[in-house]
Amino acid sequence: GNSVTQMEGPVTLSEEAFLTINCTYTATGYPSLFWYVQYPGEGLQLLLKATKADDKGSNKGFEATYRKETTSFHLEKGSVQVSDSAVYFCALSDQSGANSKLTFGKGITLSVRP
Amino acid sequence: NAGVTQTPKFRILKIGQSMTLQCTQDMNHNYMYWYRQDPGMGLKLIYYSVGAGITDKGEVPNGYNVSRSTTEDFPLRLELAAPSQTSVYFCASSPRGRGEAFFGQGTRLTVV
Repeated sequence: GNSVTQMEGPVTLSEEAFLTINCTYTATGYPSLFWYVQYPGEGLQLLLKATKADDKGSNKGFEATYRKETTSFHLEKGSVQVSDSAVYFCALSDQSGANSKLTFGKGITLSVRP
Repeated sequence: NAGVTQTPKFRILKIGQSMTLQCTQDMNHNYMYWYRQDPGMGLKLIYYSVGAGITDKGEVPNGYNVSRSTTEDFPLRLELAAPSQTSVYFCASSPRGRGEAFFGQGTRLTVV
């Protein structure tokens, strides 16, 4: 079956530090890949996505590249801000069926210090 | 611009009680989902629906029921609450069912 593995957390960084959050996946076929973000007390929001190999998703200074050869979709940001403190979820959606359900990783908490 | 609205936001239930978690969306999305979020475990799919009148089980459906009589509403029913159902519940909708989902703010449920 499909699965998503995220690096263990939590992660604490100082403002303006470089961020990498690792994500690898197992899936049949050719899944679409997503990063969702959950700010404190809120629901999840789509941060970025990539639908095929070598695609790069980007939003709000975050980037992730779909690497089929390493089955990875690592999230990066060059300079984090305090407002980036949140829980980040990597997810995949296999495109094989009429309704492609999301499979989530466990999530990782990011705290950014001023 | 409401999006996906869940009620209530918080609830404490006693073991054996029943309740319905409400979810409504105003985006005319066909696809709707219920997830539960447990600490350190990510989100698990409980039930989903691809349109009015159609529902199906997800990964963890035991102890829950759903109905979808309209496009807008997708309530989740707990019949006999158990401590294992203590969790945060999220409802979501999607226009095309291809992974891009819009989430509500969640319902934090505690069963004691």
